[in-house]
Amino acid sequence: AQSVTQPDIHITVSEGASLELRCNYSYGATPYLFWYVQSPGQGLQLLLKYFSGDTLVQGIKGFEAEFKRSQSSFNLRKPSVHWSDAAEYFCAVARSGGYQKVTFGIGTKLQVIP
Amino acid sequence: DVKVTQSSRYLVKRTGEKVFLECVQDMDHENMFWYRQDPGLGLRLIYFSYDVKMKEKGDIPEGYSVSREKKERFSLILESASTNQTSMYLCASSGQGMGTTRYNEQFFGPGTRLTVL
Repeated sequence: AQSVTQPDIHITVSEGASLELRCNYSYGATPYLFWYVQSPGQGLQLLLKYFSGDTLVQGIKGFEAEFKRSQSSFNLRKPSVHWSDAAEYFCAVARSGGYQKVTFGIGTKLQVIP
Repeated sequence: DVKVTQSSRYLVKRTGEKVFLECVQDMDHENMFWYRQDPGLGLRLIYFSYDVKMKEKGDIPEGYSVSREKKERFSLILESASTNQTSMYLCASSGQGMGTTRYNEQFFGPGTRLTVL
């Protein structure tokens, strides 16, 4: 069965600093990978996704993520964090082949300090 | 823009009550999903539906049932609410059915925070 690990439950960064949120997955074949963001009181919004091809994917709001098969990782990065990035971030994996079930990580809560 | 709406943002019910959570999407999506979100556990899939009147159990279906009589509407039912069902419930929809080779983004509603007393 597929699984996702987000080792950091809570991260605090200063505004303007760089950010990296870690995600490791477990899945036998080529996975579909996602990062979602949840602002307070809101539903989840897709930041970016990886299906195949270029292992560095660009998303919305200036985020990017890199798929590293050898490390089973899909870390999310942003070069300069803004106060509005404070939210909870979820990594997720889906089975390739079109099956719609997605497994989510437990989330990483990002706090941004001035 | 895709819009997924949920009938209530906050709901308070008593133990043993029958509870209905409603979700409506306006993009003619085939797939709809119900998740519950709990601190430290992330999102867990309760049920999903890939067509009208079709449903599949997710990871934690016990204590829940669902109904999809129309394509745009997916209801989650708690037959007899219990305190351990106090949680945030998220509905989502996506545009392509099972058996395809391409996964489509899931669009989420704002959530319903249910408290069972």
